[in-house]
Amino acid sequence: GENVEQHPSTLSVQEGDSAVIKCTYSDSASNYFPWYKQELGKGPQLIIDIRSNVGEKKDQRIAVTLNKTAKHFSLHITETQPEDSAVYFCAASHYGGSQGNLIFGKGTKLSVKP
Amino acid sequence: EAGVTQFPSHSVIEKGQTVTLRCDPISGHDNLYWYRRVMGKEIKFLLHFVKESKQDESGMPNNRFLAERTGGTYSTLKVQPAELEDSGVYFCASSPDSWVVAFFGQGTRLTVV
Repeated sequence: GENVEQHPSTLSVQEGDSAVIKCTYSDSASNYFPWYKQELGKGPQLIIDIRSNVGEKKDQRIAVTLNKTAKHFSLHITETQPEDSAVYFCAASHYGGSQGNLIFGKGTKLSVKP
Repeated sequence: EAGVTQFPSHSVIEKGQTVTLRCDPISGHDNLYWYRRVMGKEIKFLLHFVKESKQDESGMPNNRFLAERTGGTYSTLKVQPAELEDSGVYFCASSPDSWVVAFFGQGTRLTVV
C-alpha cells in the first residue's frame, strides 16, 4: 500500500523567511496530493492541492511542486508570518480510484518567530 | 455556513467502557470520513460513508469499532469496549467530492485510562 514520508518533523524560521516541507510517496498510482494546515485546537484545513498532471501550483504565498518521476512533492511558503505557525500535513491518494482515502505524512510543526 | 462539528471535544474513559463519538457533516455533503491520529503518528483513515452506505471501511482497526450513519446525515463512531491503544484524536471530515477531503471537524480527543 501507499506510504508517505514527511520531513522535517519540526521547522523553525524567522518571520519573512521561506519554509519548505518535503514529502515522498511510494505508490505510483497516487495522483492527488493535498496539503493541510492544523492550528492548535482545530482540525486540519486544506490549504492547497495538486494533481499529477501538473508540476507546480501557486496560491499567493503558498506553492506546491510535484516530481512524479522521483515521487516527491513539496510545500513552499514564502514571506512567512507568525500566523503561519501550525502543523502541516501532506497526503496522497488516488483521485478517481475505487478508494479515495488519504494517506497522510506524520506532520511538520512549523514555528515562525517574529 | 456551519462547518463539520464533532462531539464531544474531549472524552476520558476507563478501559473496558464504551464511548460514542458524533459527527455532524456540512449540510448536503454525501461523503463522510472518519480518521484518527494516535499520539505522534500520522493521521490514519478509518472509513468512508457515501450517504448512509459504507463505501470503504478498510481502515477500521477491529470489531470493537462500529460506525453508523443512519439517514445519511450525522454519523456516530462507537468504541466498545475501549482499550488503551484507542487513545488519540478522532477526526471527522465531509466532502461533496469522493476524493477531495477539504473540511475536517475539530476532532474528539479520546483518552482511555
